[in-house]
Parts: sequence; C-alpha cells; structure tokens
Amino acid sequence: DTGVSQNPRHKITKRGQNVTFRCDPISEHNRLYWYRQTLGQGPEFLTYFQNEAQLEKSRLLSDRFSAERPKGSFSTLEIQRTEQGDSAMYLCASSPERTGGTDTQYFGPGTRLTVL
Amino acid sequence: AQSVSQHNHHVILSEAASLELGCNYSYGGTVNLFWYVQYPGQHLQLLLKYFSGDPLVKGIKGFEAEFIKSKFSFNLRKPSVQWSDTAEYFCAVIIIQGAQKLVFGQGTRLTINP
Repeated sequence: DTGVSQNPRHKITKRGQNVTFRCDPISEHNRLYWYRQTLGQGPEFLTYFQNEAQLEKSRLLSDRFSAERPKGSFSTLEIQRTEQGDSAMYLCASSPERTGGTDTQYFGPGTRLTVL
Repeated sequence: AQSVSQHNHHVILSEAASLELGCNYSYGGTVNLFWYVQYPGQHLQLLLKYFSGDPLVKGIKGFEAEFIKSKFSFNLRKPSVQWSDTAEYFCAVIIIQGAQKLVFGQGTRLTINP
C-alpha cells in the first residue's frame, strides 16, 4: 500500500491556460474521488468514479473541468481556460468498494494550483 | 443541502489540557461520520470514523468521538493534548444511500502551546 499519489504537487499557470493533474489511487481501490480545497475551507466534492464510470459530478464542476479514468486505474482532471478563481488545492482520494455501503476515503497530498 | 458545521475556527490550548471540538451536521437520515486531521505540510489522514454500533468511537493517538443522533453531533475529544496535536481537524459525513461524497466542515485549526 503505497498510498494515493498526485502529480504535479504544485502548478503555476497563467490565466487562460489549460492544466492537467494526475491521480494514482491505492491499487485495487475501484472508487476514486476529486475534491477542491480553498484556503480556510474544508474540501468540496467535485466528482467520483467507480472503476471507469463517472457516477457523480458536482455543480462546482463547470464545463471547463473534465475528469477521466479511462482504464479504471489512474485519473486525470483537466481545467481548460483557467481563471484566477480556480486557484486551490485539488485533492484526490480513493476507497475500496464496500457492497451496500461506504468505506474510508484515503487522500493524496494534493496538487496546489496557482493561476496568475 | 446537507451541511456540516464546526463551531470553532481556531482553538489554542496548552499541553495537557483537555480538548473538545464540536461538529454538527444537517441531515435526518442515516450517515457515516468521520474526523480527518491534517498536520502541517501533510495530507489529510483519517483520525476515526463511525459507521454503526457503539456511538463512542476511538481513533488513533488517543482521540475519541461520540455520535449523539438526537443532537446531530459528532464531537471530537482528547483528555490530554500534546504539542504534536497541532493540526487542522475536519469533520465530515457521508449520507448512506446517497452519493458517495464526503461533505466536510470548514475545519478547526488547533494550536497547542508547549
């Protein structure tokens, strides 16, 4: 169990540029989640995958945001035409599937995005 | 919409003091409850969780929390804090039968003075 990993850890970009983040979940965890955390706030849910299927998306996820998990393993989160309001910590978490219920989500270190 | 409230934004204590951090949620159905901790420079880690059974749950590092369903509360406690407990603490819920998303409180920053 090597934990959830995220890359890059930090990303500085100019407004209007596209950025892509990667998340590698704990192996054999088939649920993967993306959250966003701004300063002084708790994480806010963005989207959730079970295997390769994206099952839930928050209204926070505007059409500039897209997430994929093509083979049910790693996931990418892309933000197109970044805005200064996108500056935040983007967190990934994974959990095993627990039939009929929930299980603990394990978080990665996050990718800190700064949009200039 | 479901929400989680943490009463204290910043708590400052001396070592050996007792700790209680408040957490209330707004949802009338069945929930799973969590406390996560984020130490300086580290990622979110699970402190403890409640799924069912005994409403008093024990976690790592001497922390415990009590689920009081009638009060929609899940307060975190520790009888004697240490300097190493300095961190940010987040309460979170998942609604059973709902979307598989954690709803977090805004967090409580805990500072322990040696």
